[in-house]
Amino acid sequence: TQLLEQSPQFLSIQEGENLTVYCNSSSVFSSLQWYRQEPGEGPVLLVTVVTGGEVKKLKRLTFQFGDARKDSSLHITAAQPGDTGLYLCAGARETSYDKVIFGPGTSLSVIP
Amino acid sequence: DAMVIQNPRYQVTQFGKPVTLSCSQTLNHNVMYWYQQKSSQAPKLLFHYYDKDFNNEADTPDNFQSRRPNTSFCFLDIRSPGLGDAAMYLCATSRERGGSDTQYFGPGTRLTVL
Repeated sequence: TQLLEQSPQFLSIQEGENLTVYCNSSSVFSSLQWYRQEPGEGPVLLVTVVTGGEVKKLKRLTFQFGDARKDSSLHITAAQPGDTGLYLCAGARETSYDKVIFGPGTSLSVIP
Repeated sequence: DAMVIQNPRYQVTQFGKPVTLSCSQTLNHNVMYWYQQKSSQAPKLLFHYYDKDFNNEADTPDNFQSRRPNTSFCFLDIRSPGLGDAAMYLCATSRERGGSDTQYFGPGTRLTVL
């Protein structure tokens, strides 16, 4: 059983479309991070959210942390081929704050 | 400016032949991590060092060992690589231990076992 679940697992869309990927858990997290990993590279941190209900924007990317701090979403507006990659959410549960858990990732492909 | 450096980027070894992967950091972080990542899967933590204190994950095989001779460097030794050990190996660092402290990843070493 995954402590962090991500959906969808795979997503293929046309350039210019909008998309949302989700990260869900039954546990409460003290913080959640979103990473993007391009093929053959290490994950690169996009954002950290720590407050329930928090919304952060990074250009065309909007991140939201659920009110109960059990879930998060990443919305991309007008996707571009450069957005292609594996999107990983990761976080530390309140009950095990010293250990980071990774979700299985959403593999996004943006077709020109 | 590279902050977490991994060498080599690609490593090919033979079944059963020991291999060492290298990680160095310029961030002066206390914590260094080694992850194994198989295709399109989440990184799986193998172990981490908090300063010189080694912390092994319960399900990490004995075949995997690690050394941290100083703050900047950390090595992953695979004593007898099997075909199932072919993966991307990621090194990461964080200033302090704790889930809320950001982890910075290196570019990874892709290991192939023949």
